[in-house]
Amino acid sequence: GENVEQHPSTLSVQEGDSAVIKCTYSDSASNYFPWYKQELGKRPQLIIDIRSNVGEKKDQRIAVTLNKTAKHFSLHITETQPEDSAVYFCAASNAGGTSYGKLTFGQGTILTVHP
Amino acid sequence: DVKVTQSSRYLVKRTGEKVFLECVQDMDHENMFWYRQDPGLGLRLIYFSYDVKMKEKGDIPEGYSVSREKKERFSLILESASTNQTSMYLCASSSGQSEETQYFGPGTRLLVL
Repeated sequence: GENVEQHPSTLSVQEGDSAVIKCTYSDSASNYFPWYKQELGKRPQLIIDIRSNVGEKKDQRIAVTLNKTAKHFSLHITETQPEDSAVYFCAASNAGGTSYGKLTFGQGTILTVHP
Repeated sequence: DVKVTQSSRYLVKRTGEKVFLECVQDMDHENMFWYRQDPGLGLRLIYFSYDVKMKEKGDIPEGYSVSREKKERFSLILESASTNQTSMYLCASSSGQSEETQYFGPGTRLLVL
């Protein structure tokens, strides 16, 4: 089955700095890579996703890049703000197959943005 | 707006008790999932269901079972709770119509004494 590794496990940055979280996956059939954000005491919510036919996707201050050859993808947050502090999870899926929408998640990264 | 609810936010049970965790979604989603969340281990899939009465094992099904008698409701059952099942349990659903976004419930924090 799929295995997703996520690094770093914790990340501390100053407000205004950039933050990068990296994930690797093992199954070359995976074609859908979402990122979820979980604020303290809240439920995980999708913030951005990318499919294997695209190398990069941006949404305001967040961007995701995908390298299919190396089987890794990354989340980039620019101009970080204290409200970006949360746990971030990457995930991978073979969407459209018989996976029924099943996601394999990484271990999570605790991002702390210091004012 | 998708709404996924879970029957309890906090639950305390004794070792050996049978525990039921319930999840309800109101968006007519095909797929439903149960995860447990532990620090440093991420979200690990216990079971999922892609249709009424259909279920598939996830990565850590041992000690758990599930039931999906109605499309909107997916129950997780701990047949005989043990202390190593103390965890945060999250339910999620997705539409199954080439839309993979999972919508999560608020979670149930279970403590087994």
